[in-house]
Amino acid sequence: GENVEQHPSTLSVQEGDSAVIKCTYSDSASNYFPWYKQELGKGPQLIIDIRSNVGEKKDQRIAVTLNKTAKHFSLHITETQPEDSAVYFCAATQGENSGGYQKVTFGTGTKLQVIP
Amino acid sequence: EPEVTQTPSHQVTQMGQEVILRCVPISNHLYFYWYRQILGQKVEFLVSFYNNEISEKSEIFDDQFSVERPDGSNFTLKIRSTKLEDSAMYFCASSISGRNEKLFFGSGTQLSVL
Repeated sequence: GENVEQHPSTLSVQEGDSAVIKCTYSDSASNYFPWYKQELGKGPQLIIDIRSNVGEKKDQRIAVTLNKTAKHFSLHITETQPEDSAVYFCAATQGENSGGYQKVTFGTGTKLQVIP
Repeated sequence: EPEVTQTPSHQVTQMGQEVILRCVPISNHLYFYWYRQILGQKVEFLVSFYNNEISEKSEIFDDQFSVERPDGSNFTLKIRSTKLEDSAMYFCASSISGRNEKLFFGSGTQLSVL
């Protein structure tokens, strides 16, 4: 099955600096890579996603990149703000072999702390 | 924005007891899921449900677990005889379609088995 590795496990940055979280996946059939933000006491919330036919996607201060050959994908947050502090999970779906039923494999999470 | 709602937010039970966790998915969604997160660990897939039947399940989802959509709005997860290791946060999620579409998660039910 799919295995998703995520680094770092914790990340502290000064407000205004950039934060980068990196993930690798194992199943070459995976074709959809969402990123979730989980605030304390809440469920994961999708913040951005990327599909395997795209190399990069940007939404305001958040961007994701995907390298299919290397099976790497990354989340970049620019101009970080205190409200960005949360746990971030990368994820990958099983792709075509899953039957399409969204068996999402999550990474281990990165606890981001933005210091004012 | 529409939400997935879960009840209760916290559930404490004795080992060996049955528990039912309840979820109300977003009304026009067709695919439903349960995930769990043991404290400090990753979110793990349990089961997906579509058209009133299980479409996929993980190795965690053994015979002690079952899911049901008893009416047009609720989606439940039952654990027949709870074990200590079942203690976790359980998240319900739903999506409009199954393949590569946004999952909406509820806020979770924290299950503590004593």
